[in-house]
Amino acid sequence: EIVLTQSPGTLSLSPGERATLSCRASQSVSSSYLAWYQQKPGQAPRLLIYGASSRATGIPDRFSGSGSGTDFTLTISRLEPEDFAVYYCQQCGSSLWTFGQGTKVEIK
Amino acid sequence: EVQLVESGGGLVQPGGSLRLSCAASGFTFSSYWMHWVRQAPGKGLVWVSRINSDGSSTTYADSVKGRFTISRDNAKNTVYLQMNSLRAEDTAVYYCAREGPRGYNYYYMDVWGKGTTVTVSS
Repeated sequence: EIVLTQSPGTLSLSPGERATLSCRASQSVSSSYLAWYQQKPGQAPRLLIYGASSRATGIPDRFSGSGSGTDFTLTISRLEPEDFAVYYCQQCGSSLWTFGQGTKVEIK
Repeated sequence: EVQLVESGGGLVQPGGSLRLSCAASGFTFSSYWMHWVRQAPGKGLVWVSRINSDGSSTTYADSVKGRFTISRDNAKNTVYLQMNSLRAEDTAVYYCAREGPRGYNYYYMDVWGKGTTVTVSS
């Protein structure tokens, strides 16, 4: 099973700042299999990025994804108030899907 | 509107059983693979199971293999999760999710339900 490790656990930033979230895989992951989700309290997750770098429908362009192999990054260029949430990366390998443990982006 | 609505959650004693349902609408259900994902209180997302579009192939996380069974009824646009031999650690919100369209070599979940809560306790 591929383990995804996200860092940092918590990111304390102010609105307007840039957020950089990391997702590291225990073994190489195809970029096609890497996605990012946003989850707010009491809500279901929402797809942000698929294929490591493609934005899902309706996702603002301040969200971007990059990376390959074992290291992937989600960047939020300028934090808006509605972006403070928990973010998860996800991969699918050998028909087993796994999520990272999440990064919480909180207001500083 | 594309929608997934889960039901069937509740309080069950350890060792008991529960069947969750997820009703789909607004899309051609029979064309999509479907998943169950759970989230324990205050914890992260954990993938549970997946079923292909015609129900002939299923996959499970090791933590539920042999205890949970995923199935679907395409005539009713519904996916199910039969949960047996439930344990306290199965306590969670259970989400139903749609996998992205096949044929593009991308793997992600693009539509999620609001979830149903399962509590395993005596």
